[in-house]
Amino acid sequence: RKEVEQDPGPFNVPEGATVAFNCTYSNSASQSFFWYRQDCRKEPKLLMSVYSSGNEDGRFTAQLNRASQYISLLIRDSKLSDSATYLCVVVSSGSARQLTFGSGTQLTVLP
Amino acid sequence: NAGVTQTPKFRVLKTGQSMTLLCAQDMNHEYMYWYRQDPGMGLRLIHYSVGEGTTAKGEVPDGYNVSRLKKQNFLLGLESAAPSQTSVYFCASSYFGQGNYEQYFGPGTRLTVT
Repeated sequence: RKEVEQDPGPFNVPEGATVAFNCTYSNSASQSFFWYRQDCRKEPKLLMSVYSSGNEDGRFTAQLNRASQYISLLIRDSKLSDSATYLCVVVSSGSARQLTFGSGTQLTVLP
Repeated sequence: NAGVTQTPKFRVLKTGQSMTLLCAQDMNHEYMYWYRQDPGMGLRLIHYSVGEGTTAKGEVPDGYNVSRLKKQNFLLGLESAAPSQTSVYFCASSYFGQGNYEQYFGPGTRLTVT
């Protein structure tokens, strides 16, 4: 079983739609959680951190359920510029700050 | 402030050839990482460094060596390239600060081994 699993998609949604991505992780000792965004043929960039209480950044909302080892990302009012691959990222315990990446969920927002 | 840079951007090697990928960061970050990204696999950690002069193995270290002689540079070497090493290689760096796990990535090196 992969340490971080995501639905690869692709998700094709119309502009203005709400879309949700899910991610599960297998290591219950994981401490920190993030969503990264990767545009086609570009490097990954941090989108937002994920906290137990949930957090929101504009149209983006991230949720963490530690009991179910589940992370989600909700995008409201999708824009064409949201088209990208969204990577679920988990940090396990240890001093090297190693990130474990999911394989990504591809989103295409259609006009 | 260039952030994280990688050279070269593209390279084609023949099986058995060697090469070195260079990563440089100007953010004074302590931690540096090398990843490879393959379709459907996500990013996988090859080697990492927690400071100048130190390196450690990641998830997929076989066939690669690294060196961190200067804080700002992290080199990834392929001694004898194999077709299985065809991939996109990303370097990343991060700050040491408490609770700060954000990694900053370079633009990537696309390597093809024929």
